[in-house]
Amino acid sequence: DTGVSQNPRHKITKRGQNVTFRCDPISEHNRLYWYRQTLGQGPEFLTYFQNEAQLEKSRLLSDRFSAERPKGSFSTLEIQRTEQGDSAMYLCASSKFGQATNTGELFFGEGSRLTVL
Amino acid sequence: GQNIDQPTEMTATEGAIVQINCTYQTSGFNGLFWYQQHAGEAPTFLSYNVLDGLEEKGRFSSFLSRSKGYSYLLLKELQMKDSASYLCAVRDPPSNDYKLSFGAGTTVTVRA
Repeated sequence: DTGVSQNPRHKITKRGQNVTFRCDPISEHNRLYWYRQTLGQGPEFLTYFQNEAQLEKSRLLSDRFSAERPKGSFSTLEIQRTEQGDSAMYLCASSKFGQATNTGELFFGEGSRLTVL
Repeated sequence: GQNIDQPTEMTATEGAIVQINCTYQTSGFNGLFWYQQHAGEAPTFLSYNVLDGLEEKGRFSSFLSRSKGYSYLLLKELQMKDSASYLCAVRDPPSNDYKLSFGAGTTVTVRA
């Protein structure tokens, strides 16, 4: 399967702990996005990368959140000092930028569900 | 930013047609997407509209009117497997960042 892969799929942690999620995009995709989704809502944009460069961060992304894509392939999203309000599904998506015939659709992974107790 | 509205829930009978409306108010527009999301699964791409008019793809069609800030997704010959959340998303300008703003989603329940 060459789709977007995320792990862990589920994470339960206590408030104040740090958590890290990993995303492996589709191999030929140069763009990688992180979104957050809560129950009954659509995904909310957090940040995105083109290759290893982080091009934009949402105001939703407090200083407790950090994302990296060190080699332009996989990415990690770390949340420090987790709070109960961080409980959500964290979705990763990738796309290929630069093809003239490309609609630029995002391909999503199945997400990492975080529960903060 | 974008303000995207769509109904919360819709119910229809197997074999019937359902139309999911989406309205948006945006500071710019570079395309509208529809995604399907089954519970606990990833959103999957259904359709893309950037020009006014109807795009048909099998049992699914999507319509866009940019002047009205309006789109709909039409699902024909409903099947039980079509029970899912349908997400309307608008691409924010500039067009080259591919970033999407999503509505809250419409949960469609197909009944036998």
